[in-house]
Amino acid sequence: NAGVTQTPKFQVLKTGQSMTLQCAQDMNHNSMYWYRQDPGMGLRLIYYSASEGTTDKGEVPNGYNVSRLNKREFSLRLESAAPSQTSVYFCASSERADDTGELFFGEGSRLTVL
Amino acid sequence: QKEVEQNSGPLSVPEGAIASLNCTYSDRGSQSFFWYRQYSGKSPELIMFIYSNGDKEDGRFTAQLNKASQYVSLLIRDSQPSDSATYLCAVNAPWGAGGTSYGKLTFGQGTILTVHP
Repeated sequence: NAGVTQTPKFQVLKTGQSMTLQCAQDMNHNSMYWYRQDPGMGLRLIYYSASEGTTDKGEVPNGYNVSRLNKREFSLRLESAAPSQTSVYFCASSERADDTGELFFGEGSRLTVL
Repeated sequence: QKEVEQNSGPLSVPEGAIASLNCTYSDRGSQSFFWYRQYSGKSPELIMFIYSNGDKEDGRFTAQLNKASQYVSLLIRDSQPSDSATYLCAVNAPWGAGGTSYGKLTFGQGTILTVHP
């Protein structure tokens, strides 16, 4: 029972490099999310996808792009990494695109940008 | 002002005591409120949610909501060392035009709880 799977778990980048964080869920959920977590800042929403084929910006979208590849997969891309993007990234999913708060999180991806 | 603010920690309580975690929110349109627990190095997991004013109990956990005061709290009775974690308050706050929610949560900064034997 995998739930939400993120890859990679750890990554070190140099400033200006690009990379994609992958996320897949096997719970047949409609909505998927990308959050970042920084010390003392809680979780901040980067992008979300309410349903397959739709994406929208969250609180901190600058410097990121997303793709909802299909119902299972939602990727996050950093085109030109900056040290300010050093963070722990969490992918999450929820069953319905309505007022629900039960998010199921992946294990997180720890990204360091030098 | 942060949209969701939690009492500053860390909070340390002895085993068997009641731990009280507090959260205030700024958007009066918020409709649903959640407490997530996050162990060190792990991902958050939902432990309680509350939609209506008043108390909601689940085992040793009680969530309290007061919409007039824009305040939500979590009480943990008979605290155990295994309760030591960061507790995140989350509020369903409308985003974007029209205020549609789609499960977009705004999280507080978290309160670190340590329960010592």
